[in-house]
Amino acid sequence: AQSVTQLDSHVSVSEGTPVLLRCNYSSSYSPSLFWYVQHPNKGLQLLLKYTSAATLVKGINGFEAEFKKSETSFHLTKPSAHMSDAAEYFCVVSDREAGNMLTFGGGTRLMVKP
Amino acid sequence: DSGVTQTPKHLITATGQRVTLRCSPRSGDLSVYWYQQSLDQGLQFLIQYYNGEERAKGNILERFSAQQFPDLHSELNLSSLELGDSALYFCASSDLAGLGHNEQFFGPGTRLTVL
Repeated sequence: AQSVTQLDSHVSVSEGTPVLLRCNYSSSYSPSLFWYVQHPNKGLQLLLKYTSAATLVKGINGFEAEFKKSETSFHLTKPSAHMSDAAEYFCVVSDREAGNMLTFGGGTRLMVKP
Repeated sequence: DSGVTQTPKHLITATGQRVTLRCSPRSGDLSVYWYQQSLDQGLQFLIQYYNGEERAKGNILERFSAQQFPDLHSELNLSSLELGDSALYFCASSDLAGLGHNEQFFGPGTRLTVL
């Protein structure tokens, strides 16, 4: 069975400093991995996805994630946080054995201090 | 804007009642997915329809049902509502049957409050 663990429920950074949101996954097949962002009272927006091509994935708004199979990790990073990055971030796994169903992590709330 | 629309935005009802949530997928998308987001359970997959047929089932209660119509819009029916059903219900769509990489586009959600 597939699962996702987001290691931090809350992360606080200062504006202009790097962001690291950690995600570990478990999947019995070659997974697809996604990061979604949810701003307050909004739906989920896809930031980036890994689908077995390049292990370093670039997304929107300056976010990146690196797929590390040996560590079963897919951490999300951004070199410099902006106030508008404050939101909830979800790491998501999908694999064929689970019928491509999406399994969400518990979410990480990112707070950005001025 | 993802192109997925959901109505209503908010719904307040009483225990024991029945409600219907509606979702219109992005133009051309054949798959519709329903998710429930609550404080205690997080985001959970409920059910998927592809071109009118049920494709996959997740943690959906027997009191809940869904369908997808010929015009591809979908409805999620929740009956015998309980306080614990209060949540944000999301619809998502994709152009895939569930094979492939399954990028899904989410609607803004319907917030259900059961009093």
